[in-house]
Amino acid sequence: SYELTQPPSVSVSPAQTASITCSGDKLGTKYTSWYQLKPGQSPVLVIYQDTTRPSGIPEHFSGSNSGDTATLTISGTQAVDEGDYYCQVWDSGTVVFGGGTKLTVL
Amino acid sequence: QVQLVQSGAEVKRPGASVRAACRASGYTITTYYMNWVRQAPGQGLEWMGIIDPTDGSTRYAQKFQGRLTMTSDTSTSTIYMELSSLTSEDTAVYYCARGDGKNFGWLDPWGQGTLVTVSS
Repeated sequence: SYELTQPPSVSVSPAQTASITCSGDKLGTKYTSWYQLKPGQSPVLVIYQDTTRPSGIPEHFSGSNSGDTATLTISGTQAVDEGDYYCQVWDSGTVVFGGGTKLTVL
Repeated sequence: QVQLVQSGAEVKRPGASVRAACRASGYTITTYYMNWVRQAPGQGLEWMGIIDPTDGSTRYAQKFQGRLTMTSDTSTSTIYMELSSLTSEDTAVYYCARGDGKNFGWLDPWGQGTLVTVSS
């Protein structure tokens, strides 16, 4: 079965840029979505089709996908951006999630 | 606006079944697939399966084959998820999440979640 690998945690200083990676075999040939999950809240879609931000998602969220790695980039990171981030693709008719990355703004 | 409202928390005994509901509003449910995803305490997101509310066709993750049933009631715009033979490992928050139309893309929006606790 297809697997997506994310780093368990990423730390960033306020106003700096955070990059969260998601790795999988030939991932660049699939569309990747990203979700933000905060304690006590439902997941929120922040990027779909690799690079597109849904309406209402701040401009400092961006995405890319090439080769075996998709990346979620958060520019000018704020404390409100803290949370868990999950990448997601479809493979062989099933949804696959990465293991999640905990973003800490120090 | 599009909204998914889920049924309330449940406490079940091991071996029992649980049924969670997801009522959709703000769109026509037959035009979008619906997914169910769960998150166990301290764990990541786990996809359970998908249903086409138009005809009730389903696809389940292999892990849940045989004890997961998804159904739809188009008259009330409600999607149901029933999981049987519960164990403590099924303790989790269960989310419904609308798919990308009839495509296999992103999941948005998500319901508020239904907490299922399995305990003797």
